[in-house]
Amino acid sequence: AQKVTQAQTEISVVEKEDVTLDCVYETRDTTYYLFWYKQPPSGELVFLIRRNSFDEQNEISGRYSWNFQKSTSSFNFTITASQVVDSAVYFCALSKGGSGFGNEKLTFGTGTRLTIIP
Amino acid sequence: DAGVIQSPRHEVTEMGQEVTLRCKPISGHNSLFWYRQTMMRGLELLIYFNNNVPIDDSGMPEDRFSAKMPNASFSTLKIQPSEPRDSAVYFCASSVDREPEAFFGQGTRLTVV
Repeated sequence: AQKVTQAQTEISVVEKEDVTLDCVYETRDTTYYLFWYKQPPSGELVFLIRRNSFDEQNEISGRYSWNFQKSTSSFNFTITASQVVDSAVYFCALSKGGSGFGNEKLTFGTGTRLTIIP
Repeated sequence: DAGVIQSPRHEVTEMGQEVTLRCKPISGHNSLFWYRQTMMRGLELLIYFNNNVPIDDSGMPEDRFSAKMPNASFSTLKIQPSEPRDSAVYFCASSVDREPEAFFGQGTRLTVV
């Protein structure tokens, strides 16, 4: 069975501080995908990034960066120089590699509520 | 391009009534997912389709829930009869083969009173 753990329920930081959101996953699959989604106060779920299990290269996109480490089964998300617009609930998710029946379902963590204080 | 479109955005209904939620996936996407979000259970998969065929419906709570995908551009999730514990936000999402990230609709907030 797959499992995603986001131990941080809520985080508050002052604007312009850096913040890291933790994600630990469990899977027996050799091929899998990891994702981060953002859910702002308006409620929609916004896709941020996908990483493949065979690609541990870290990624940076503007103020966002992701650190994928298979050795610790972690896929952490860092926001640099946080802004008020970053306030949202962030979800980490996991799916196994395609089975031939199209894409697989996402297993979500419980989310981390991030509040950026102006 | 238009994203995943769900309707209605909000639905308030009385216990025992039938509720139908609708979803139009992104054009060209061939996997469609229905998720439910509640405070208690978080985001959980109800059912998903690939090429209009149901692949995994193990998350459907009980016989009161049913989902259909009559064609590649439309899906429905029906609850009959509805109960207060069905109150939640229901999300539809779609993806395309070899691109496993799912794109979500705005969700339908269902309140059963």
